[in-house]
Formats: sequence, C-alpha cells, structure tokens
Amino acid sequence: ETGVTQSPTHLIKTRGQQVTLRCSSQSGHNTVSWYQQALGQGPQFIFQYYREEENGRGNFPPRFSGLQFPNYSSELNVNALELDDSALYLCASSVQGAEETQYFGPGTRLLVL
Amino acid sequence: GENVEQHPSTLSVQEGDSAVIKCTYSDSASNYFPWYKQELGKRPQLIIDIRSNVGEKKDQRIAVTLNKTAKHFSLHITETQPEDSAVYFCAASRVSSASKIIFGSGTRLSIRP
Repeated sequence: ETGVTQSPTHLIKTRGQQVTLRCSSQSGHNTVSWYQQALGQGPQFIFQYYREEENGRGNFPPRFSGLQFPNYSSELNVNALELDDSALYLCASSVQGAEETQYFGPGTRLLVL
Repeated sequence: GENVEQHPSTLSVQEGDSAVIKCTYSDSASNYFPWYKQELGKRPQLIIDIRSNVGEKKDQRIAVTLNKTAKHFSLHITETQPEDSAVYFCAASRVSSASKIIFGSGTRLSIRP
C-alpha cells in the first residue's frame, strides 16, 4: 500500500450542499493531484497542487476548488453539489520534477442524493 | 483534446494463458505511460510504467511495449493467475507539465480457472 491517506472514506450529501475531502501525501512527496472516478469509468483529472498553488486543471467547473498546505496535504472542495458529482474521489501524490510517478490514496466515495 | 482509448473493455482468458490490452493516445507530446490495476473497491495501483525513450519494459510476468510513431502502447500479462483478475487502466501524461494523467476507460480482466 502507498503512504497516501484520504478522509473520510464515505460521505453522503444532498444536492446543493458543499463538501470538503482531505488527502495526506506520501512522505517526501510535494505534489497532490485529484481525480474523479465515476462508476465503471477511468479516473478523470480535476486539478493538481504544487507549492500550495493550482498547477494544472482538467475540465471541471469552478465549483471544484482546492488547497494545498505547507505540509503538502491537500483539500478538495465542491460547492453546490449535483447528483452527477456522486463518484469515487481519488488523490495521488508525487514528486514534481523527479520521476513524477503518482501513487493513489484509497479514495473517498461521495454519494449525492 | 487529449484522449486515451483502451481495448478491449472486457477480457476473459484461461488461467495460464496470456492477456493483452492495447491503448492509443492522441497527444504526441505524451512521454510517460503508466498502467494501473484496480481491484473492486480499492485504489488504482501502479503495476508498471514506461517512458518514451524506451520501447519495451518487462517485470516478471508483465511487459509493456510502446510504439511512439503509431502512438500505441500495450500491456502483456503472461501465465495469468486468478489474482490477476481486476480492472486495468492505461494512461498517458507529459512529465513536467502539470503531470495530469489521462486514463483510458479500463479493461475488466477475468481469469477462468
């Protein structure tokens, strides 16, 4: 198993609410990427954080936002939840400028009712 | 935009036989190609990766090949075992460019006893 952890493991929200998901990167890793994995599909890149700034973004609306902290951990925030936001949210940590292999956390399964 | 196509979507092979999964990518600047294995309810786990300066890489029963000209890459699993049953994802990215990974849609591999 990787050293990447995520919390919570499961979450149920209702449409319109806001949610915050958390990720702790593997020791020595300075970059965190977030992915959304809908059932039966491959992970879709949301954005990446490096040096506490967004460092690339996929095709997701602005209601998806994030933060990275000085200890390299990260948060994903989603506002105005929609039913289609129901998915497994994965974070992956890596070392920018080095091998950059990404190692995934166990994910947070979000259900929006 | 960037895209990774993966085939087949499902694959069933007899235990001991070989399995081959094929992917194509659209971004000619891609230079890093990881393969992930995802068991039901678990995180994607990196099983092997290949960089664009190499045409083939092998790790025990697993091998990957890369044809940069044709923008094709493949995963080969030999002497398949029941524990190889999982969903496999190919992916492509540009190292040092926000390192977003574009995933294929996945192949569900089943090993028949």
